[in-house]
Amino acid sequence: GNSVTQMEGPVTLSEEAFLTINCTYTATGYPSLFWYVQYPGEGLQLLLKATKADDKGSNKGFEATYRKETTSFHLEKGSVQVSDSAVYFCALTRGGNNRKLIWGLGTSLAVNP
Amino acid sequence: DGGITQSPKYLFRKEGQNVTLSCEQNLNHDAMYWYRQDPGQGLRLIYYSQIVNDFQKGDIAEGYSVSREKKESFPLTVTSAQKNPTAFYLCASSIEGAAKYEQYFGPGTRLTVT
Repeated sequence: GNSVTQMEGPVTLSEEAFLTINCTYTATGYPSLFWYVQYPGEGLQLLLKATKADDKGSNKGFEATYRKETTSFHLEKGSVQVSDSAVYFCALTRGGNNRKLIWGLGTSLAVNP
Repeated sequence: DGGITQSPKYLFRKEGQNVTLSCEQNLNHDAMYWYRQDPGQGLRLIYYSQIVNDFQKGDIAEGYSVSREKKESFPLTVTSAQKNPTAFYLCASSIEGAAKYEQYFGPGTRLTVT
């Protein structure tokens, strides 16, 4: 079955540093891939998505490219801010007509001023 | 504004009591989901419903029950049979349409059972 693996956190960075959070997956077929963000004490928000190979999702300065050859969907941001401190989740569809998502365990990011 | 509301934000119960968590959406979404979140374990699916009057068990349904009598509402009952009910509970919804897989989340309810 489909599965997703995220790099373990916590990740601690200084403001304006470059961010990469790794996400790799195993899947049959062509899943859609997502990054969600959860700010402290809140629900999850969709950050970006990609629905086919080589698609690049982007939002709020974050980017991720759907790489089928390396089965990866790494999240990147060129210059993080304190307000980016949150937990980031990678997810993918289970395949076929099944609309349930498979979730990574989340990666906590703390950005220090 | 369209969105998903969950109430209350914090809930405290004594062991052995059933408790019902509310989830309401005005997004006109067909599908709704309940997740449980524990530290370091990501999101685990409890129940989901793709249409009114129909729902399916997720990965950790034991000790929980749901109903879907209206499109807008998907309440979750945590029963006394749930052995470790203290957790953060998240409700989500999604559109049932081609290529629309993303889920929209409510703010969550933190349940503490002592």
